[in-house]
Amino acid sequence: QQQVKQSPQSLIVQKGGISIINCAYENTAFDYFPWYQQFPGKGPALLIAIRPDVSEKKEGRFTISFNKSAKQFSLHIMDSQPGDSATYFCAASITGSARQLTFGSGTQLTVLP
Amino acid sequence: DGGITQSPKYLFRKEGQNVTLSCEQNLNHDAMYWYRQDPGQGLRLIYYSQIVNDFQKGDIAEGYSVSREKKESFPLTVTSAQKNPTAFYLCASTPVRTGGGYGYTFGSGTRLTVV
Repeated sequence: QQQVKQSPQSLIVQKGGISIINCAYENTAFDYFPWYQQFPGKGPALLIAIRPDVSEKKEGRFTISFNKSAKQFSLHIMDSQPGDSATYFCAASITGSARQLTFGSGTQLTVLP
Repeated sequence: DGGITQSPKYLFRKEGQNVTLSCEQNLNHDAMYWYRQDPGQGLRLIYYSQIVNDFQKGDIAEGYSVSREKKESFPLTVTSAQKNPTAFYLCASTPVRTGGGYGYTFGSGTRLTVV
């Protein structure tokens, strides 16, 4: 019930292409879905987040798509750049609960120049 | 600038030795967390604390201990009971006690290696 499943484990994209990372969850009580970006040797940084009252949220080249009925959400990186090469984590939590974020297993993205 | 400071950046532990990882925040955040990161396994929760002098076990607390004597500080001790401590350790915080529903601020991590 607390798991968040993330795929793919690794992703290689050409510069200018679209990177797509998918996550699925089981617990329907989750109501906050952030994505984190992590560079080697650094802590993760919040990239973008969505709540289930909207189906899509866009910030610059990054878009979260959310499908409540399928219990899935995805991160789209448009016009991918070599500087986007990092590990991306999806996560989920329940607003107001003491329980903290549950993270996916991560996707290592490589954008080729 | 506000943030979370983890130290040291690299730490080496001998077999049977206890070591303590430091985590300090100046964000005035209530809740603090410790995660362990292993390749291909994402982030796993070790301990978390919502208020001073209180903390809760996470999913992999065995072999670890914490304290929260001050709001700003949440040190993690890796004890000799932790048989496989080599990993990247991350400290995080959120502004409210009920951390669900809020983004985390992470520190830069401590890489612990058993020698």
